[in-house]
Amino acid sequence: AQSVSQHNHHVILSEAASLELGCNYSYGGTVNLFWYVQFPGQHLKLLLKYFSGDPLVKGIKGFEAEFIKSKFSFNLRKPSVQWSDTAEYFCAVNAQGGNKLVFGAGTILRVKS
Amino acid sequence: IAGITQAPTSQILAAGRRMTLRCTQDMRHNAMYWYRQDLGLGLRLIHYSNTAGTTGKGEVPDGYSVSRANTDDFPLTLASAVPSQTSVYFCASSDSKVGTDTQYFGPGTRLTVL
Repeated sequence: AQSVSQHNHHVILSEAASLELGCNYSYGGTVNLFWYVQFPGQHLKLLLKYFSGDPLVKGIKGFEAEFIKSKFSFNLRKPSVQWSDTAEYFCAVNAQGGNKLVFGAGTILRVKS
Repeated sequence: IAGITQAPTSQILAAGRRMTLRCTQDMRHNAMYWYRQDLGLGLRLIHYSNTAGTTGKGEVPDGYSVSRANTDDFPLTLASAVPSQTSVYFCASSDSKVGTDTQYFGPGTRLTVL
């Protein structure tokens, strides 16, 4: 069965600090990879996704993620976080050809102003 | 366009009672999903439907049932609620069953079973 690991459950950063949230998955086949975000009081929504092509994908609000197949990783990055990035971030994966997402446990990011 | 609506927003329920969580989407998406979100576990898929008239089991289907009589509605029923079903429930939809499609989520229903 597929599983997704997010390395940190809570991250606290100051504004302008750089962010990297780790995500590793366990599945030997081809996958589609997603990062979803849940801002306080809002719906879960897509931040970015990768399914083929350039392994560095860019999403909303200056976020990007890099797919490294050899490491089974899809880490999320942002060079300089803002207070408004405070949210919970979820990494998710589905096997290519399927649509059933497997989510990681989530990382709560708090950005101090 | 409302996207996905869920009802109720929150509910406290006595154990053993039957409860239906409602989900409606206005995007004419073919695929719909129910997840539960628990602290430290992320979101886990309960049931899904790739098209009206079909349903399938997800990762944690026990104690839950779904139906998909039409494209827009995808209710989730707890036949006899138990405290372990206390959770936040999210409904989602995607244009198709293709794995690259983005899933769009509703606002969630917070359910407490006592």
